[in-house]
Amino acid sequence: DAEITQSPRHKITETGRQVTLACHQTWNHNNMFWYRQDLGHGLRLIHYSYGVHDTNKGEVSDGYSVSRSNTEDLPLTLESAASSQTSVYFCASSPAGTGPLEQYFGPGTRLTVT
Amino acid sequence: GENVEQHPSTLSVQEGDSAVIKCTYSDSASNYFPWYKQELGKRPQLIIDIRSNVGEKKDQRIAVTLNKTAKHFSLHITETQPEDSAVYFCAASNTGRRALTFGSGTRLQVQP
Repeated sequence: DAEITQSPRHKITETGRQVTLACHQTWNHNNMFWYRQDLGHGLRLIHYSYGVHDTNKGEVSDGYSVSRSNTEDLPLTLESAASSQTSVYFCASSPAGTGPLEQYFGPGTRLTVT
Repeated sequence: GENVEQHPSTLSVQEGDSAVIKCTYSDSASNYFPWYKQELGKRPQLIIDIRSNVGEKKDQRIAVTLNKTAKHFSLHITETQPEDSAVYFCAASNTGRRALTFGSGTRLQVQP
């Protein structure tokens, strides 16, 4: 079955280290998104992509980067991890088409920066 | 940009009662409004959505209503059951910007 996966599911890292979170979907969806979830803030958009080689900043993009070299993957990189980036990170995808379409979420990565 | 506000932040109901969660949005260009249910430690799951050309949509015990003029939409759950206990998020997006803007969530507790 087609799905969306994230790895690792849990990660502990130290302040200042570079960290990459993986997101892989097998639905052949054009649109992919990264959100972070913190208590009291719901989910906030970090970066998103509408297709290969396309990337866009979301509302909380500082300190994060993404690249899209193929349809299936949108890795999220924290250039120099900070304690404020301790959070749960969700990747999501949706198909291309006219108008906004349903987004499906991966299982999440819990990141702790010490 | 879009701003979505969600109320209440917590809601406790007796099993069998109805629950209503309300959201308002700011961007008149928004035309897609999904609702997600998230159980503890799990991913958000889409439970129902509505597009701006529709005023109401039902799926068994859940329904969503949309008032474009007032820029608000609501989730209605009837005959609540303990398994409805979870955090519910509303969201908004539009044709041009397909990313979602989420409300801050409502923790629903259904007391047996």
